[in-house]
Amino acid sequence: AQTVTQSQPEMSVQEAETVTLSCTYDTSESNYYLFWYKQPPSRQMILVIRQEAYKQQNATENRFSVNFQKAAKSFSLKISDSQLGDTAMYFCAFMKQDAGNNRKLIWGLGTSLAVNP
Amino acid sequence: KAGVTQTPRYLIKTRGQQVTLSCSPISGHRSVSWYQQTPGQGLQFLFEYFSETQRNKGNFPGRFSGRQFSNSRSEMNVSTLELGDSALYLCASSRQGTNTGELFFGEGSRLTVL
Repeated sequence: AQTVTQSQPEMSVQEAETVTLSCTYDTSESNYYLFWYKQPPSRQMILVIRQEAYKQQNATENRFSVNFQKAAKSFSLKISDSQLGDTAMYFCAFMKQDAGNNRKLIWGLGTSLAVNP
Repeated sequence: KAGVTQTPRYLIKTRGQQVTLSCSPISGHRSVSWYQQTPGQGLQFLFEYFSETQRNKGNFPGRFSGRQFSNSRSEMNVSTLELGDSALYLCASSRQGTNTGELFFGEGSRLTVL
């Protein structure tokens, strides 16, 4: 069964510093998608970044970038120049395809990130 | 463009009661997914509806059900509530469903079962 593991339940970082959130996954599939979602306190969950497994180049969205290591099944999120608004729960998610050809998202338990002034 | 709207935002029920939660997706989005979020279990997939048809279903008991209307609005119902059903229920919409993975979430309905 596919699983997603986020080994850091909580992290903190000083404003303007860089922080990396870890995510590992387990799958036997060769083509899939990986995601990082952000859930600020009492606000909607939003997509931060997406990575397609067949693309070797790491995805980047402004201050957010990933380090995708397919062989190691690792998908970490790097946040550069951390801002107070980055304080949130971050979820790593893996998209799998089931026997019925339907795609489902499998979620990690999340990492709570606090950005300190 | 209005976002995903979930109602009610908060509700308190007692064991044995039933509850209906509503979700209005972003205009033009035909897929609605439901998730249960708890601190210990994270996000657990309940079901996905696309064009009024249930396309995916998670591993929840039959007490959890849902439906989608022709205007893409969706409801989920939980019958015979148990204490363990206390959670944040999230609705997410997208144009194509989870095939693209990009979901737009509502703020959730926080259910407390006493």
